[in-house]
Amino acid sequence: GAGVSQSPSNKVTEKGKDVELRCDPISGHTALYWYRQRLGQGLEFLIYFQGNSAPDKSGLPSDRFSAERTGESVSTLTIQRTQQEDSAVYLCASSLAAENQPQHFGDGTRLSIL
Amino acid sequence: RKEVEQDPGPFNVPEGATVAFNCTYSNSASQSFFWYRQDCRKEPKLLMSVYSSGNEDGRFTAQLNRASQYISLLIRDSKLSDSATYLCVVAKGQNFVFGPGTRLSVLP
Repeated sequence: GAGVSQSPSNKVTEKGKDVELRCDPISGHTALYWYRQRLGQGLEFLIYFQGNSAPDKSGLPSDRFSAERTGESVSTLTIQRTQQEDSAVYLCASSLAAENQPQHFGDGTRLSIL
Repeated sequence: RKEVEQDPGPFNVPEGATVAFNCTYSNSASQSFFWYRQDCRKEPKLLMSVYSSGNEDGRFTAQLNRASQYISLLIRDSKLSDSATYLCVVAKGQNFVFGPGTRLSVLP
């Protein structure tokens, strides 16, 4: 499809395990964003990529969270030593880098930490 | 003060009603503005961009007042399918700030 693709759709894992979430942006979109949304809450900004660099990592909640992007395409968000409070939907969005361009979201990864 | 604030809601309205949502933002340097809708347990989807001159898309009208740092969304002849959370989004360059959302329930 032509939209933002995220995988897996759902992930259930035990506390303390590491998880890796993947995002394939829309082709040609150089800007890529990760957000977290806890149940019943608003969007929480995590990190933004412009190309392969991350000018804004201010939203990453702790050093257990990291993200990378390669080839100006796929991005992975890694959470190490997961905690129960990491349970949320992780949303990825991409946009053209030009001014006034909106973000387009993937379906998200629903992460549940047992 | 939060960067983007919205009516807390929820708004419960009958089908056919007209409903308006308000949004204010604190960064006067903001450059672009959007309304998104988010259905329960789904991702946000772009509803419309908001332009200084105001813009309309069918039953939806968006207005921007830069002087007052205020954005509005008007929905006319509301449908059951309009039930969702409406997110106000304000951006400067690639820095996007999402409001907390206003929940709308359209009742039969």
